[in-house]
Amino acid sequence: DVKVTQSSRYLVKRTGEKVFLECVQDMDHENMFWYRQDPGLGLRLIYFSYDVKMKEKGDIPEGYSVSREKKERFSLILESASTNQTSMYLCASSLLQGKGVQFFGPGTRLTVL
Amino acid sequence: GNSVTQMEGPVTLSEEAFLTINCTYTATGYPSLFWYVQYPGEGLQLLLKATKADDKGSNKGFEATYRKETTSFHLEKGSVQVSDSAVYFCALSAQTGANNLFFGTGTRLTVIP
Repeated sequence: DVKVTQSSRYLVKRTGEKVFLECVQDMDHENMFWYRQDPGLGLRLIYFSYDVKMKEKGDIPEGYSVSREKKERFSLILESASTNQTSMYLCASSLLQGKGVQFFGPGTRLTVL
Repeated sequence: GNSVTQMEGPVTLSEEAFLTINCTYTATGYPSLFWYVQYPGEGLQLLLKATKADDKGSNKGFEATYRKETTSFHLEKGSVQVSDSAVYFCALSAQTGANNLFFGTGTRLTVIP
């Protein structure tokens, strides 16, 4: 069974902390994505990556960075967490020519105090 | 640009009722269209898709038809069950690009016995 896993289901951090969210997929997918999900706004793309060490900005990259050192792992980094980054974060992966078919992890609910 | 407008929720139905969730889109070119579903406590999973005009996607009793003339992809089910309670997201994938998805805001469906 294909799987995307995320390092934490719930995370509580303080303003100004550096936060790492980890995502691992076991499907040998080329593409990986980070979204944030907020009520009334749906899912918004933060960053995506189509290959190791490659990254592209999505719609809302400000305040975030990413790292992809291995094909199966894609990390989202909040350099200095702020309260407006409290949200649900979803990771997804797809084949290079996945044509929109993405596989999602269960999400990490991050609260920044 | 690319965008998806989705019926506002929440929607509450009795078991065995007919379901329609409206979705319209704006896109350049010929997008592919999707419905993703998020069950409580889980990540999103693909429910159905359609890749060209007049295609009908179907799965688990749900259907949606890609209507280019009305730029719509409405989700329907003839008889909902309690287990269908979830959040439903309409999404599109542009014809070109890195398989990014553009999501609607999501519609929460609650089915009561």
